[in-house]
Amino acid sequence: AQTVTQSQPEMSVQEAETVTLSCTYDTSESNYYLFWYKQPPSRQMILVIRQEAYKQQNATENRFSVNFQKAAKSFSLKISDSQLGDTAMYFCAFMKQGTGNQFYFGTGTSLTVIP
Amino acid sequence: EPEVTQTPSHQVTQMGQEVILRCVPISNHLYFYWYRQILGQKVEFLVSFYNNEISEKSEIFDDQFSVERPDGSNFTLKIRSTKLEDSAMYFCASSDGQGLGTEAFFGQGTRLTVV
Repeated sequence: AQTVTQSQPEMSVQEAETVTLSCTYDTSESNYYLFWYKQPPSRQMILVIRQEAYKQQNATENRFSVNFQKAAKSFSLKISDSQLGDTAMYFCAFMKQGTGNQFYFGTGTSLTVIP
Repeated sequence: EPEVTQTPSHQVTQMGQEVILRCVPISNHLYFYWYRQILGQKVEFLVSFYNNEISEKSEIFDDQFSVERPDGSNFTLKIRSTKLEDSAMYFCASSDGQGLGTEAFFGQGTRLTVV
């Protein structure tokens, strides 16, 4: 079975500062993808960043980057130069091969960016 | 930008009643999903749907639930004889492929409250 754990229910960060959201997962699969999705208040979940397990290089999308530690089964999200629009619920998710794109989600981290 | 839309945003129903949650996926997508999130818990996979049939379903998706694509645009989740524990946020999603790592696009959710 696959499990995803986000141990920080709530976090806050000052505008322009850097924040890291943690995520750990458990799986026996060798090939899988990890995702971070963002859900602003009353809005859709949108993809922030994804990482293939076979790729050693950490994924980066503008101000968002991940620290993927495969052996430790850790997948943290770093947000640099935090902006007010980054205020949202952030979900870490896992996808394994052969499950029809089924996501396994964590419980989410609510991030507030303080002006 | 195309997006997945869900209606209604909030539905209150009496225990034992039937509800239909509606979703309009992105028009050129072929794969459709329902997830739910009970308050304070993880977002959980319910079902995936492709080519007018269910491709995967979780153990949550029992005979009480059904999905349908009644026309070329809508994708519905029907819950028969609702129970208090069906109270949750229900998310619809769609994708244009089913390869590992494919991004899913989510709707904003329907909050179902069973009283």
